[in-house]
Amino acid sequence: GQNIDQPTEMTATEGAIVQINCTYQTSGFNGLFWYQQHAGEAPTFLSYNVLDGLEEKGRFSSFLSRSKGYSYLLLKELQMKDSASYLCAAVDSNYQLIWGAGTKLIIKP
Amino acid sequence: GAVVSQHPSRVICKSGTSVKIECRSLDFQATTMFWYRQFPKQSLMLMATSNEGSKATYEQGVEKDKFLINHASLTLSTLTVTSAHPEDSSFYICSARDIEGNSYEQYFGPGTRLTVT
Repeated sequence: GQNIDQPTEMTATEGAIVQINCTYQTSGFNGLFWYQQHAGEAPTFLSYNVLDGLEEKGRFSSFLSRSKGYSYLLLKELQMKDSASYLCAAVDSNYQLIWGAGTKLIIKP
Repeated sequence: GAVVSQHPSRVICKSGTSVKIECRSLDFQATTMFWYRQFPKQSLMLMATSNEGSKATYEQGVEKDKFLINHASLTLSTLTVTSAHPEDSSFYICSARDIEGNSYEQYFGPGTRLTVT
């Protein structure tokens, strides 16, 4: 079966760094997305990785290891507005997104 | 670019009535649109995949006769919740994939919050 695992909830301090992990098992693999979702709003795109390695985009970076079926989202210099759910989604062989349950990130002052 | 709109953003209806939700890609063409449902504090649940000019593909457990999907053009898909019940109250989100895009990114609409009384 296809499965995406990510922690349910994480807490971090404003100004700090946090890493949100995601492991996936899919039939075929065509890349992995990270989306941010604030409560009551639709998800917004953060990153897409299809090759191994780290991709940096401002305060946010995303890493992928295809051999390990593993990705992480790294958030630096945390701000209160970063409090949100972070969704990991893998693209399977049918080019469908397989969604994780999301990680709720709580930022404390 | 890549803006997706949904209408209405919020709707309250009485049990037994039908509600139509529109999803439009405003600045791109989308052969494929997706309909999701999200209950409070839960992740997105894909309901169906909508392809322009053909029947939608529904996920297991989603009643196709209750959730009618029409993808009549490359920029519009509609979801009609028929004979709505209180348990259908949820956040409905559509997304679209750019026909000319070279990735599988889905662009999301702002969502429609449905409350059935």
